[in-house]
Amino acid sequence: DTAVSQTPKYLVTQMGNDKSIKCEQNLGHDTMYWYKQDSKKFLKIMFSYNNKELIINETVPNRFSPKSPDKAHLNLHINSLELGDSAVYFCASRPLGSGANVLTFGAGSRLTVL
Amino acid sequence: GESVGLHLPTLSVQEGDNSIINCAYSNSASDYFIWYKQESGKGPQFIIDIRSNMDKRQGQRVTVLLNKTVKHLSLQIAATQPGDSAVYFCAENYNDMRFGAGTRLTVKP
Repeated sequence: DTAVSQTPKYLVTQMGNDKSIKCEQNLGHDTMYWYKQDSKKFLKIMFSYNNKELIINETVPNRFSPKSPDKAHLNLHINSLELGDSAVYFCASRPLGSGANVLTFGAGSRLTVL
Repeated sequence: GESVGLHLPTLSVQEGDNSIINCAYSNSASDYFIWYKQESGKGPQFIIDIRSNMDKRQGQRVTVLLNKTVKHLSLQIAATQPGDSAVYFCAENYNDMRFGAGTRLTVKP
């Protein structure tokens, strides 16, 4: 059973297109995240949601819009894709609570913008 | 803003040797730190964590050391094995989990 699953695993698209990446967790966690990992492996937090409510939005362009239909899902929609959006996007989740900081990550979605 | 950084981007060790991966953090308010391991094509996986009220924590073959005076974190891997080859990240808890740039560990047989 996959704890945090992302789809698609690979996505190749043209500049200017709109695409979505989906994430689901079956861990019963309350908080979900999107991280972006660039070609140098740097992991940068983009968004976090707590029980469907946006908590963190780290100066991400408005072209990126997260959507959380319920606390088990956090999808990422990207409009007007640019070359610089090429990266691996990781979804993660963790339970709520001051001592529960360990993130469980998905396997990543590699986005290539041509 | 402040960020988590690493001293060495790559580290190559012989199988059986001990490995030390270092991390410098700049946010003195961080109260919790985690080391993650990322294998090729996978997401980061938890290795070990430490709270700021501790200076050392041991796991199976891994030890994390925290020096708050100089804001330094290290991960020691004993008897490094080929399966330890991966990118290692330290992360600090300050306004949620913030990651450093990562160190690639390569284990030579």
